[in-house]
Amino acid sequence: DTAVSQTPKYLVTQMGNDKSIKCEQNLGHDTMYWYKQDSKKFLKIMFSYNNKELIINETVPNRFSPKSPDKAHLNLHINSLELGDSAVYFCASSQDPGRVDEKLFFGSGTQLSVL
Amino acid sequence: QKEVEQDPGPLSVPEGAIVSLNCTYSNSAFQYFMWYRQYSRKGPELLMYTYSSGNKEDGRFTAQVDKSSKYISLFIRDSQPSDSATYLCAVYNQGGKLIFGQGTELSVKP
Repeated sequence: DTAVSQTPKYLVTQMGNDKSIKCEQNLGHDTMYWYKQDSKKFLKIMFSYNNKELIINETVPNRFSPKSPDKAHLNLHINSLELGDSAVYFCASSQDPGRVDEKLFFGSGTQLSVL
Repeated sequence: QKEVEQDPGPLSVPEGAIVSLNCTYSNSAFQYFMWYRQYSRKGPELLMYTYSSGNKEDGRFTAQVDKSSKYISLFIRDSQPSDSATYLCAVYNQGGKLIFGQGTELSVKP
């Protein structure tokens, strides 16, 4: 069983389109995250949710809107896609983000290519 | 200045070599330091974490923190082709966010 699963694995789309990425975790964790990894492998946090409540909202364009229907799911919707949105998007979860040694569990990523 | 900076590599070594991966960080208040390993087309996974200064060893891997110079290192002894991956250092900043270095791509050649 995959602990953190995200779909789709690959997403190729045209500029201006709207797309969604879905994420589910079966670890029973309370906190979920979205990270963006650029072509240089730089991994940066975008959002985090704790039990459906938004905790971290980095300086991300408001074209990006996360939605958490329950604590096991965190989806990412992107409006009006731009070339610069091309990256790998990772979903992650953790049990207790208050612990400074907290371990994150990552999904396998969604490779988004905007043409 | 970025909170965590890492040598970007790529780094290519022969099998059996000792590998040294390094990061620097900006804030002396950081106390927990982590290394994540990311295989190609996979998500990162936690490899090791250390607290404050000193060394921590786990098999062929040793994580080292030098707080005086704000320098963290990961050493891999007797490197294997299966160690080929991108290694990311990470710290929790004072806002509770996990901040990653850029990642060093390591290739171990048989």
